[in-house]
Amino acid sequence: DGGITQSPKYLFRKEGQNVTLSCEQNLNHDAMYWYRQDPGQGLRLIYYSQIVNDFQKGDIAEGYSVSREKKESFPLTVTSAQKNPTAFYLCASSIQGLGYGYTFGSGTRLTVV
Amino acid sequence: GNSVTQMEGPVTLSEEAFLTINCTYTATGYPSLFWYVQYPGEGLQLLLKATKADDKGSNKGFEATYRKETTSFHLEKGSVQVSDSAVYFCALTTSGTYKYIFGTGTRLKVLA
Repeated sequence: DGGITQSPKYLFRKEGQNVTLSCEQNLNHDAMYWYRQDPGQGLRLIYYSQIVNDFQKGDIAEGYSVSREKKESFPLTVTSAQKNPTAFYLCASSIQGLGYGYTFGSGTRLTVV
Repeated sequence: GNSVTQMEGPVTLSEEAFLTINCTYTATGYPSLFWYVQYPGEGLQLLLKATKADDKGSNKGFEATYRKETTSFHLEKGSVQVSDSAVYFCALTTSGTYKYIFGTGTRLKVLA
């Protein structure tokens, strides 16, 4: 079955470390997205990519980086510059055109220890 | 800019009660509208959608009608179950963009 796989499900980071969250999809979707979810704040867009080797900043890109070397993969790196990284991170993908909606992964919960 | 406003939760209902979760939007052009559901510790799942005015999306007993005149897309269910307990998100997207705008979510708790 097609879908989006995020790994790991839980991740712990020490202060000053960079960590990378994995997101892989086998849906042949063109666009991929990273969202951050904090309690009571809904979803905030970090980065998105419409095609391979191209990506755009979302609303809260500072302290994060991404790459899109393959259509199937869109990893997110949380750098030490992100001062408050503890959150639930969601990856999503979609195809072109209105009305199709997103397919979401199951999320990664990142905690700074 | 585009935005989505949802009623604040939590909404607490008894089993078999009628559910309404309000959602209104502001958008340029003609948006497509969505409801997503999130169960604890999981990602969001698409619940239903509507792509033009007066369309009704429906799934698993949930319904929502795209009302252009009131810029609303309220979620309804005639008889909720304990298993419907989750957080519900209203969202929109407009032509020319891949980006979706989400509301802040409404937590629903259904008591047996």
